[in-house]
Amino acid sequence: EAGVAQSPRYKIIEKRQSVAFWCNPISGHATLYWYQQILGQGPKLLIQFQNNGVVDDSQLPKDRFSAERLKGVDSTLKIQPAKLEDSAVYLCASSLEVIGYEQYFGPGTRLTVT
Amino acid sequence: AQSVTQLGSHVSVSEGALVLLRCNYSSSVPPYLFWYVQYPNQGLQLLLKYTTGATLVKGINGFEAEFKKSETSFHLTKPSAHMSDAAEYFCAVSDQADQFYFGTGTSLTVIP
Repeated sequence: EAGVAQSPRYKIIEKRQSVAFWCNPISGHATLYWYQQILGQGPKLLIQFQNNGVVDDSQLPKDRFSAERLKGVDSTLKIQPAKLEDSAVYLCASSLEVIGYEQYFGPGTRLTVT
Repeated sequence: AQSVTQLGSHVSVSEGALVLLRCNYSSSVPPYLFWYVQYPNQGLQLLLKYTTGATLVKGINGFEAEFKKSETSFHLTKPSAHMSDAAEYFCAVSDQADQFYFGTGTSLTVIP
């Protein structure tokens, strides 16, 4: 089966610009996650969707980050405006359900803000 | 709230030696436990998981982990390290409230 797809793989922007990342989860997976992974750290959950509803966005900086999952499939994560500290790898993951199910990760998008 | 502690941010072993990566968790309810591996410039890949049943779990690439409730531990082991095992390893825990937490990771170096 096809894995989790993400694009772009790399992005370089200047601070105060905007950027968007796209994720296509594994077919049939109801739950979708966006993580931020800063160099040398573990992934930090930004937002979790169950179908097209938000389950947890408590760690999403809502003044600059937004995410949507229209029709319960693809998802986009947007940053506007970007700050230097947003430089990180943004990982998308999906799972069949939530409790007890492993997450499958995409390759990530490496964002560099200059 | 859950938390995951990985002791040792960097571990070095010789090729052919035992690999032991430590993970401790805090949980007020029986957790689901996972180990993931991340190779450079790639996403995370599941190595193994514990949900219920047998406490010794076998995963891919010869890795295994043992759930010890009394010690709240889920250490990852491999009898003989291979050069291809060099990567970042993450322990993760999920509870009944469908929260998912990652540890800070352990970077494994294999010395030829």
